[in-house]
Amino acid sequence: AQTVTQSQPEMSVQEAETVTLSCTYDTSESNYYLFWYKQPPSRQMILVIRQEAYKQQNATENRFSVNFQKAAKSFSLKISDSQLGDTAMYFCAFMTYDSNYQLIWGAGTKLIIKP
Amino acid sequence: DAGVIQSPRHEVTEMGQEVTLRCKPISGHNSLFWYRQTMMRGLELLIYFNNNVPIDDSGMPEDRFSAKMPNASFSTLKIQPSEPRDSAVYFCASSFHRGLNQPQHFGDGTRLSIL
Repeated sequence: AQTVTQSQPEMSVQEAETVTLSCTYDTSESNYYLFWYKQPPSRQMILVIRQEAYKQQNATENRFSVNFQKAAKSFSLKISDSQLGDTAMYFCAFMTYDSNYQLIWGAGTKLIIKP
Repeated sequence: DAGVIQSPRHEVTEMGQEVTLRCKPISGHNSLFWYRQTMMRGLELLIYFNNNVPIDDSGMPEDRFSAKMPNASFSTLKIQPSEPRDSAVYFCASSFHRGLNQPQHFGDGTRLSIL
């Protein structure tokens, strides 16, 4: 079975700190794509960053970066210089050919940025 | 470009009534997904269309739920008769089914409350 585990139900940090959200997944496929989505209180689901399994270089989008460890099946999200607007639920997900292009989702981590 | 458009944004109705949720995917996208999100069960995929054809409806809870996609620019999710346990946020998402690197783009969701 293909699964995603986000082991931190909730985290909180002070504004301007760096925070890392963990995600592990399980699949027997060798090629897949990994995604982080953000859901702020406004409830929109917003794509934050994505990573192809074949690429060794970790993806970066401004203050957001990932630490992709393929052998360990780990895909953590690092948020640098955290801002109040980063307060949201963060969902890790991946997609494989075997999943028929459907996203396999984690349960989410609630991140609170404190002023 | 316009994103995924869902209507209504909020719906409050009494149990037993028919509820119809609407979705307009991003122009050019050929895959459409309906999700349900609750605190208890998280984000659940209900049904997935590709080129207007339902590919996987295994997530549809029961016969009271039905979804249609009569053309590439419109889809509906219908609940008849509605029950209080159907209260949730329903999301529609679309993507371009071309490869694993195509993310799903979400609408703002419909918050459904069944009294």
